[in-house]
Amino acid sequence: KAGVTQTPRYLIKTRGQQVTLSCSPISGHRSVSWYQQTPGQGLQFLFEYFSETQRNKGNFPGRFSGRQFSNSRSEMNVSTLELGDSALYLCASSLTGSRTDTQYFGPGTRLTVL
Amino acid sequence: EDQVTQSPEALRLQEGESSSLNCSYTVSGLRGLFWYRQDPGKGPEFLFTLYSAGEEKEKERLKATLTKKESFLHITAPKPEDSATYLCAVQANNNDMRFGAGTRLTVKP
Repeated sequence: KAGVTQTPRYLIKTRGQQVTLSCSPISGHRSVSWYQQTPGQGLQFLFEYFSETQRNKGNFPGRFSGRQFSNSRSEMNVSTLELGDSALYLCASSLTGSRTDTQYFGPGTRLTVL
Repeated sequence: EDQVTQSPEALRLQEGESSSLNCSYTVSGLRGLFWYRQDPGKGPEFLFTLYSAGEEKEKERLKATLTKKESFLHITAPKPEDSATYLCAVQANNNDMRFGAGTRLTVKP
């Protein structure tokens, strides 16, 4: 069974640009969550999607947005990039996102903002 | 505000030297406490989920326990391949997931 895949794995952008990251969950998983990981702040929850609807959202500015497609694949978008957006962006999938589900993480997308 | 604190930040052990990692938390309604292992450059790998105080789970050299305020990850006779960052996360009743900063474990042969 294929794991969670994220593309691209590495990305370099400049301030002010926008970026789109993609996540393909494990087959059959309908919940997709996004996290930002930095050395200073650790892992922080961005948002969760289930059945194409945002079900939960963390404390991030509106520049961070996402969506989920009917095949459960998800994208997140960051507009007007800032230097502080440099981070490892992780996607995790689970069957339904319930507390009894296990979240499986992808390898992440390393974003560098210059 | 929900908080998760892991200690120590870093731990160096000799191969075979057992120890414990701590995760203390304050959360409004605990739905679950999760332990993950993360290797450099990779996403976290799921280890355990604990739901209620008194619960324990084991996997190979690892054993996770849960009380009302903290969780411990006990590592028995660790090997160098156990070297990694161990992350603790709590899920509150509002489904928010909050992670601790992690404990970076190094096991020397």
